[in-house]
Amino acid sequence: DAGVIQSPRHEVTEMGQEVTLRCKPISGHDYLFWYRQTMMRGLELLIYFNNNVPIDDSGMPEDRFSAKMPNASFSTLKIQPSEPRDSAVYFCASSTQGSTGELFFGEGSRLTVL
Amino acid sequence: AQSVTQPDIHITVSEGASLELRCNYSYGATPYLFWYVQSPGQGLQLLLKYFSGDTLVQGIKGFEAEFKRSQSSFNLRKPSVHWSDAAEYFCAVGARVTNAGKSTFGDGTTLTVKP
Repeated sequence: DAGVIQSPRHEVTEMGQEVTLRCKPISGHDYLFWYRQTMMRGLELLIYFNNNVPIDDSGMPEDRFSAKMPNASFSTLKIQPSEPRDSAVYFCASSTQGSTGELFFGEGSRLTVL
Repeated sequence: AQSVTQPDIHITVSEGASLELRCNYSYGATPYLFWYVQSPGQGLQLLLKYFSGDTLVQGIKGFEAEFKRSQSSFNLRKPSVHWSDAAEYFCAVGARVTNAGKSTFGDGTTLTVKP
């Protein structure tokens, strides 16, 4: 079975540019999560969806960050404008076990903002 | 609010030696408990989980963990470490209520395996 698929795997951009990260969850999973991982702050939950509806976006750092889930098989995380402090690895994860069940993670998108 | 503490930031063990990674949690009731492993450049992968029942749970790759309610701990163990076990390990705790917010992850323990 295909796991969680994220793209791009690596993104290098300049400050001020728009960045869009993409995620395809595992088919049949009704929860989708976006995490950010940095050395300083560890693993942070940014937002999660249930049945394509955002449930908790309290972890989204600023208005520059937005996430959408237009259908059950696709989600995007957008940063506009990007800043160097947004450099991190962004993970998408999906689950069928509620907001606190077992998570299946993608391989991540490593973002570098120059 | 729930919290997770992994007291050891970095552990080094020799190949073939036994391993124990510590995890302590804070939660008002019995939570869901998880251990994940992250190899370099990869996402997190579930090693094992505790939901209910037997407090000693078996996972993949020969790992096991024991839930001790009295100590609020969920330590991960492996009797004989292999070089391929070198990775970062995360303990996580989640509430037992649907849409009860987020799982909380510990800061991780990096395991180095000496030949």
